[in-house]
Amino acid sequence: GESVGLHLPTLSVQEGDNSIINCAYSNSASDYFIWYKQESGKGPQFIIDIRSNMDKRQGQRVTVLLNKTVKHLSLQIAATQPGDSAVYFCAEGLRTSYGKLTFGQGTILTVHP
Amino acid sequence: KAGVTQTPRYLIKTRGQQVTLSCSPISGHRSVSWYQQTPGQGLQFLFEYFSETQRNKGNFPGRFSGRQFSNSRSEMNVSTLELGDSALYLCASSEGFSGNTIYFGEGSWLTVV
Repeated sequence: GESVGLHLPTLSVQEGDNSIINCAYSNSASDYFIWYKQESGKGPQFIIDIRSNMDKRQGQRVTVLLNKTVKHLSLQIAATQPGDSAVYFCAEGLRTSYGKLTFGQGTILTVHP
Repeated sequence: KAGVTQTPRYLIKTRGQQVTLSCSPISGHRSVSWYQQTPGQGLQFLFEYFSETQRNKGNFPGRFSGRQFSNSRSEMNVSTLELGDSALYLCASSEGFSGNTIYFGEGSWLTVV
Protein backbone atom coordinates (compact mmCIF):
# COMPACT_ATOMS: atom_id res chain seq x y z
CA GLY A 1 0.00 0.00 0.00
CA GLU A 2 0.95 3.63 -0.04
CA SER A 3 3.29 4.88 2.64
CA VAL A 4 1.95 7.58 4.88
CA GLY A 5 4.27 10.40 5.78
CA LEU A 6 5.04 11.08 9.40
CA HIS A 7 2.94 13.93 10.77
CA LEU A 8 5.53 15.85 12.67
CA PRO A 9 4.60 17.93 15.70
CA THR A 10 5.12 21.63 15.11
CA LEU A 11 6.16 24.47 17.37
CA SER A 12 5.79 28.06 16.31
CA VAL A 13 7.43 30.84 18.35
CA GLN A 14 8.34 34.50 18.08
CA GLU A 15 11.94 35.59 17.80
CA GLY A 16 13.39 36.12 21.25
CA ASP A 17 11.05 33.66 22.97
CA ASN A 18 12.31 30.54 24.69
CA SER A 19 11.43 27.25 22.98
CA ILE A 20 10.89 23.86 24.54
CA ILE A 21 10.87 20.75 22.38
CA ASN A 22 9.81 17.49 23.96
CA CYS A 23 10.60 13.89 23.18
CA ALA A 24 9.46 10.58 24.62
CA TYR A 25 12.01 7.83 24.19
CA SER A 26 11.23 4.17 23.98
CA ASN A 27 13.97 2.06 25.53
CA SER A 28 14.42 2.24 29.27
CA ALA A 29 17.89 0.73 28.82
CA SER A 30 19.10 3.64 26.67
CA ASP A 31 21.93 5.46 28.34
CA TYR A 32 22.90 8.07 25.81
CA PHE A 33 20.69 10.77 24.30
CA ILE A 34 21.38 13.32 21.60
CA TRP A 35 19.54 16.24 20.05
CA TYR A 36 20.07 16.98 16.38
CA LYS A 37 18.92 19.88 14.22
CA GLN A 38 18.17 19.27 10.57
CA GLU A 39 17.69 22.11 8.13
CA SER A 40 16.03 21.59 4.78
CA GLY A 41 18.28 19.68 2.38
CA LYS A 42 21.00 19.08 4.97
CA GLY A 43 22.11 16.30 7.26
CA PRO A 44 21.41 16.28 11.01
CA GLN A 45 23.63 18.65 12.95
CA PHE A 46 24.71 17.73 16.50
CA ILE A 47 23.39 20.12 19.15
CA ILE A 48 23.94 18.56 22.56
CA ASP A 49 24.04 15.19 24.24
CA ILE A 50 23.47 13.82 27.73
CA ARG A 51 24.35 10.60 29.52
CA SER A 52 21.81 8.71 31.58
CA ASN A 53 23.67 9.51 34.80
CA MET A 54 22.78 13.18 34.36
CA ASP A 55 19.49 15.06 34.62
CA LYS A 56 20.51 18.28 32.95
CA ARG A 57 23.19 19.59 30.66
CA GLN A 58 23.69 23.07 29.33
CA GLY A 59 25.32 24.34 26.19
CA GLN A 60 25.33 27.64 24.40
CA ARG A 61 21.69 28.82 24.46
CA VAL A 62 20.51 25.21 24.82
CA THR A 63 19.65 23.01 27.78
CA VAL A 64 18.72 19.35 27.70
CA LEU A 65 16.69 17.81 30.51
CA LEU A 66 16.36 14.08 31.04
CA ASN A 67 13.65 12.41 33.11
CA LYS A 68 14.36 8.70 33.18
CA THR A 69 11.34 7.93 35.36
CA VAL A 70 8.94 8.83 32.57
CA LYS A 71 11.39 8.35 29.68
CA HIS A 72 11.21 11.97 28.65
CA LEU A 73 13.75 14.27 27.11
CA SER A 74 13.43 17.97 26.41
CA LEU A 75 15.47 20.60 24.59
CA GLN A 76 15.21 24.19 25.70
CA ILE A 77 16.44 26.91 23.36
CA ALA A 78 16.87 30.34 24.89
CA ALA A 79 16.21 33.53 22.93
CA THR A 80 15.14 31.64 19.82
CA GLN A 81 16.30 33.14 16.53
CA PRO A 82 15.00 32.72 12.96
CA GLY A 83 18.12 30.67 12.20
CA ASP A 84 16.90 28.10 14.73
CA SER A 85 14.01 27.19 12.42
CA ALA A 86 14.50 23.53 11.50
CA VAL A 87 13.39 20.01 12.35
CA TYR A 88 14.71 18.83 15.72
CA PHE A 89 15.26 15.16 16.43
CA CYS A 90 15.97 13.41 19.66
CA ALA A 91 17.94 10.19 19.43
CA GLU A 92 18.60 7.49 21.97
CA GLY A 93 21.25 4.84 22.08
CA LEU A 94 23.23 2.45 24.14
CA ARG A 95 26.81 3.46 24.68
CA THR A 96 27.76 -0.10 23.82
CA SER A 97 25.73 -0.10 20.57
CA TYR A 98 28.26 1.82 18.62
CA GLY A 99 26.85 4.10 15.97
CA LYS A 100 23.30 2.79 16.37
CA LEU A 101 20.85 5.47 17.33
CA THR A 102 17.06 5.28 17.42
CA PHE A 103 15.53 8.55 16.30
CA GLY A 104 12.28 10.17 17.28
CA GLN A 105 9.93 11.43 14.61
CA GLY A 106 11.12 15.01 14.89
CA THR A 107 9.55 18.37 15.69
CA ILE A 108 9.31 21.26 13.25
CA LEU A 109 10.34 24.54 14.90
CA THR A 110 9.34 27.75 13.13
CA VAL A 111 10.62 31.06 14.47
CA HIS A 112 8.81 34.18 13.32
CA PRO A 113 10.75 37.47 13.18
CA LYS B 1 38.75 19.82 10.16
CA ALA B 2 36.59 18.63 7.28
CA GLY B 3 33.25 17.08 8.15
CA VAL B 4 31.73 13.84 6.94
CA THR B 5 31.74 13.85 3.14
CA GLN B 6 29.29 11.89 1.05
CA THR B 7 29.22 11.32 -2.69
CA PRO B 8 27.30 11.58 -4.87
CA ARG B 9 24.89 14.13 -3.44
CA TYR B 10 22.10 13.34 -5.88
CA LEU B 11 21.41 10.42 -8.14
CA ILE B 12 18.58 8.84 -10.07
CA LYS B 13 18.43 5.13 -10.72
CA THR B 14 16.00 2.76 -12.39
CA ARG B 15 14.21 -0.09 -10.63
CA GLY B 16 16.31 -3.23 -10.67
CA GLN B 17 19.62 -1.41 -10.88
CA GLN B 18 22.16 -1.25 -8.10
CA VAL B 19 23.81 1.77 -6.51
CA THR B 20 26.96 2.44 -4.51
CA LEU B 21 27.26 5.41 -2.16
CA SER B 22 30.51 6.62 -0.68
CA CYS B 23 31.40 8.21 2.64
CA SER B 24 34.60 9.75 3.97
CA PRO B 25 34.50 10.15 7.75
CA ILE B 26 35.98 12.96 9.78
CA SER B 27 39.74 12.59 9.97
CA GLY B 28 40.66 10.29 12.85
CA HIS B 29 37.21 8.75 13.12
CA ARG B 30 37.19 4.97 12.80
CA SER B 31 33.47 4.32 13.04
CA VAL B 32 31.10 4.87 10.14
CA SER B 33 27.38 4.25 10.34
CA TRP B 34 24.68 4.55 7.70
CA TYR B 35 21.08 5.67 8.02
CA GLN B 36 18.11 5.86 5.69
CA GLN B 37 15.73 8.81 5.97
CA THR B 38 12.28 8.78 4.38
CA PRO B 39 9.13 10.82 5.00
CA GLY B 40 7.25 7.68 5.97
CA GLN B 41 9.73 5.96 8.27
CA GLY B 42 11.96 8.77 9.47
CA LEU B 43 15.60 8.07 10.25
CA GLN B 44 16.48 4.38 10.43
CA PHE B 45 19.80 2.74 11.21
CA LEU B 46 21.27 0.52 8.51
CA PHE B 47 24.67 -0.64 9.81
CA GLU B 48 27.89 0.44 11.47
CA TYR B 49 31.51 -0.36 10.70
CA PHE B 50 34.63 -0.01 12.80
CA SER B 51 38.09 -0.98 11.63
CA GLU B 52 36.66 -2.69 8.54
CA THR B 53 34.29 -4.87 10.61
CA GLN B 54 30.54 -4.59 10.81
CA ARG B 55 29.67 -4.22 14.48
CA ASN B 56 26.00 -3.45 14.28
CA LYS B 57 23.19 -3.99 11.82
CA GLY B 58 19.65 -2.68 11.53
CA ASN B 59 16.55 -4.39 10.18
CA PHE B 60 17.00 -4.00 6.46
CA PRO B 61 16.96 -6.72 3.79
CA GLY B 62 20.15 -8.25 2.46
CA ARG B 63 19.95 -6.03 -0.62
CA PHE B 64 21.53 -3.36 1.58
CA SER B 65 25.19 -3.97 2.24
CA GLY B 66 28.25 -2.01 3.18
CA ARG B 67 31.94 -2.16 3.70
CA GLN B 68 34.73 -0.15 5.21
CA PHE B 69 38.25 0.28 3.94
CA SER B 70 41.51 0.46 5.87
CA ASN B 71 41.47 4.27 5.65
CA SER B 72 38.01 4.24 7.35
CA ARG B 73 36.22 5.35 4.21
CA SER B 74 33.00 3.42 3.69
CA GLU B 75 30.65 2.46 0.91
CA MET B 76 27.12 1.15 0.98
CA ASN B 77 25.47 -0.72 -1.83
CA VAL B 78 21.84 -1.34 -2.61
CA SER B 79 21.11 -4.02 -5.17
CA THR B 80 17.94 -4.66 -7.16
CA LEU B 81 16.57 -1.22 -6.40
CA GLU B 82 12.91 -0.78 -5.58
CA LEU B 83 10.82 2.37 -5.73
CA GLY B 84 10.65 2.33 -1.92
CA ASP B 85 14.41 2.68 -1.70
CA SER B 86 14.07 6.33 -2.72
CA ALA B 87 15.43 8.17 0.30
CA LEU B 88 18.13 10.33 1.77
CA TYR B 89 21.03 8.09 2.78
CA LEU B 90 23.07 9.55 5.60
CA CYS B 91 26.53 8.59 6.69
CA ALA B 92 27.76 9.38 10.19
CA SER B 93 31.13 9.05 11.82
CA SER B 94 32.55 8.96 15.31
CA GLU B 95 35.75 7.94 17.05
CA GLY B 96 34.02 4.63 17.61
CA PHE B 97 34.13 4.25 21.35
CA SER B 98 31.45 4.25 23.98
CA GLY B 99 29.47 7.47 24.06
CA ASN B 100 31.43 9.28 21.36
CA THR B 101 29.55 11.99 19.52
CA ILE B 102 28.16 10.92 16.16
CA TYR B 103 28.41 13.46 13.35
CA PHE B 104 26.40 13.26 10.15
CA GLY B 105 27.19 14.14 6.57
CA GLU B 106 24.86 15.99 4.22
CA GLY B 107 23.55 12.79 2.71
CA SER B 108 23.04 11.27 -0.72
CA TRP B 109 19.62 11.77 -2.27
CA LEU B 110 18.59 8.64 -4.16
CA THR B 111 15.56 8.61 -6.43
CA VAL B 112 14.46 5.30 -7.92
CA VAL B 113 12.21 5.56 -10.98
